[in-house]
Amino acid sequence: EAQVTQNPRYLITVTGKKLTVTCSQNMNHEYMSWYRQDPGLGLRQIYYSMNVEVTDKGDVPEGYKVSRKEKRNFPLILESPSPNQTSLYFCASSRDGLSYEQYFGPGTRLTVT
Amino acid sequence: AQSVSQHNHHVILSEAASLELGCNYSYGGTVNLFWYVQYPGQHLQLLLKYFSGDPLVKGIKGFEAEFIKSKFSFNLRKPSVQWSDTAEYFCAVNPYTDKLIFGTGTRLQVFP
Repeated sequence: EAQVTQNPRYLITVTGKKLTVTCSQNMNHEYMSWYRQDPGLGLRQIYYSMNVEVTDKGDVPEGYKVSRKEKRNFPLILESPSPNQTSLYFCASSRDGLSYEQYFGPGTRLTVT
Repeated sequence: AQSVSQHNHHVILSEAASLELGCNYSYGGTVNLFWYVQYPGQHLQLLLKYFSGDPLVKGIKGFEAEFIKSKFSFNLRKPSVQWSDTAEYFCAVNPYTDKLIFGTGTRLQVFP
């Protein structure tokens, strides 16, 4: 089954404790992206990747890092999480850039206390 | 600043009512346009998209949208909503870059 998976689905952590949210797709997609969803703000793009070893900032990259060492994986790293990073995070992938439909993962709800 | 606006934040309808959700964007030039839907507890799914051609596009579940270039709009419509259409709807614009810009979303509640 074609899908985007994220782990963990739920995470409660404390300020400053490094964490990684994994994202994996099995569709051989070139483009992958991370979004955060906050009430009243919709989805905002954090980082995206056009291909392996090619990443770029979205609209809200501060406090986040990403890497794309393999085509299927695109982890989101929070080196020192803060409470303002409490949010619902979605990973998405598409075949080749944004001219194609994006497939979204199930989301990761992160709470930073 | 360039943006995507969804003016209807919360819409409440009865079943069989007609639906129109507004979406306006402020990017000049060529754009790709999308509507995504998020059912309660689920991830986003594509409803429909417009890249070029006929400005009236049809999507899944009876939804359609009309691209009006002069108005920078891409409104979503459905002639008769069902209870199962209760969800949050997001308009998104790709201004021919590598980024996708979402609107803030419209929460639709349909009552039987």
